Parts: sequence; structure tokens; C-alpha cells
Amino acid sequence: DAGVTQSPTHLIKTRGQHVTLRCSPISGHKSVSWYQQVLGQGPQFIFQYYEKEERGRGNFPDRFSARQFPNYSSELNVNALLLGDSALYLCASSLAPDTNEKLFFGSGTQLSVL
Amino acid sequence: LAKTTQPISMDSYEGQEVNITCSHNNIATNDYITWYQQFPSQGPRFIIQGYKTKVTNEVASLFIPADRKSSTLSLPRVSLSDTAVYYCLVPISGGYQKVTFGIGTKLQVIP
Repeated sequence: DAGVTQSPTHLIKTRGQHVTLRCSPISGHKSVSWYQQVLGQGPQFIFQYYEKEERGRGNFPDRFSARQFPNYSSELNVNALLLGDSALYLCASSLAPDTNEKLFFGSGTQLSVL
Repeated sequence: LAKTTQPISMDSYEGQEVNITCSHNNIATNDYITWYQQFPSQGPRFIIQGYKTKVTNEVASLFIPADRKSSTLSLPRVSLSDTAVYYCLVPISGGYQKVTFGIGTKLQVIP
């Protein structure tokens, strides 16, 4: 079975640009979460979506947005990129949005903002 | 909020047992403790999860005392491939999966 897939794997953008990151969850998983991981730090929660609805949002500015599609795949959008947005963006899926559900992570999208 | 504290780094020789302890003084009654492993440029990978006493799987054991204010991940006979960052997770209150990953414990296995 395929795991969580993310695209693209690497991306280089310049300040002020917009970026869209994509995630396909494990088949049967209806919950998708997004995390940002800056070098040397643990992943930080950005969003959680379940059944196409936002179920949670971390402490990130409004430049960050996301959505979930009917097939449970998801997109993370970041507008007006800043140098500080350079990070590994991780997507995780789970069967349900419950707090103790096991999370399955993709390999991430490495975003570099120049 | 259930915040976790764990050592920043640990070194161990190959073949030894490694124990990583995490404190979570404010864990909620219904919350489980979950450990993840992360290699460079990869997403975290689930290792083990427990609620109380002891849980064992093919990879590790998790020991949780009665007060549940701490937990210890035990890796038996580590190899070089166990060199990674290990995260102890407890959910943030408010439901859903607003989990907070701390810095984690960077385990370096030495030949």
C-alpha cells in the first residue's frame, strides 16, 4: 500500500511569491495535518483537516491556508513568502482526527525561499 | 497544556540498550503517550504508543509509571541505523491532533 505522498519534494521560491504544496493521504485515511519543520527543531502544527473541514489551526499567520478535497487529498498554500518560511513541510494522515490517533507522515516538501 | 521535556542528545555504543525518558507533568486523563523516530530529510515514523504500565512491540518498549507524569522509551541492542531524533508526544488540550513536537532527543549510536 502506498504511504503518504507529497509533491513536490523540493522547491525554490523567491520572497513575495506564492507556493502550493500537495499531499495524498493513505487510502482510507480521512484526516490530514500539516506541519512545518525548521532545521534543528521539531515539527510545528499548522493545520488539521477532516472531511474537508478545518479542525485545527496552529499559530501561523493568515498567509498560510489549506484545503481538503473530496478524495481527502490536501493542499497547503503560502502567500507572500518570507525567508523564514524556508523549512521542511510535512503532511500526516490518520484514520480519524482523534487526539491519540497514530500519524503517518510523508517525506515532506523542502521549501527554500531566496 | 501538556508539555514534554526530554534530553536533547544521547550517545550509545552499538549493542547497548538505550533508555530515553520524557516528562509530561500535565498529561490529561484520556491522553496517550506516543513516540516517533525521525531520520534526516524524512517525516517522523511512529514507534510506540501507551497509556499506562508497559507496552512492547517488535521495535521498542514503553514504560509508564502509575502517575503517568513521565515515560521511558527503551530501545534494545541499538545499531547504527537507530541513529535518529526521537520525539515524545502528548496531545495539546482542545482535542484533535494539535500535537506539539519538541526538539526531541538526538540519539547517536557509536560503532
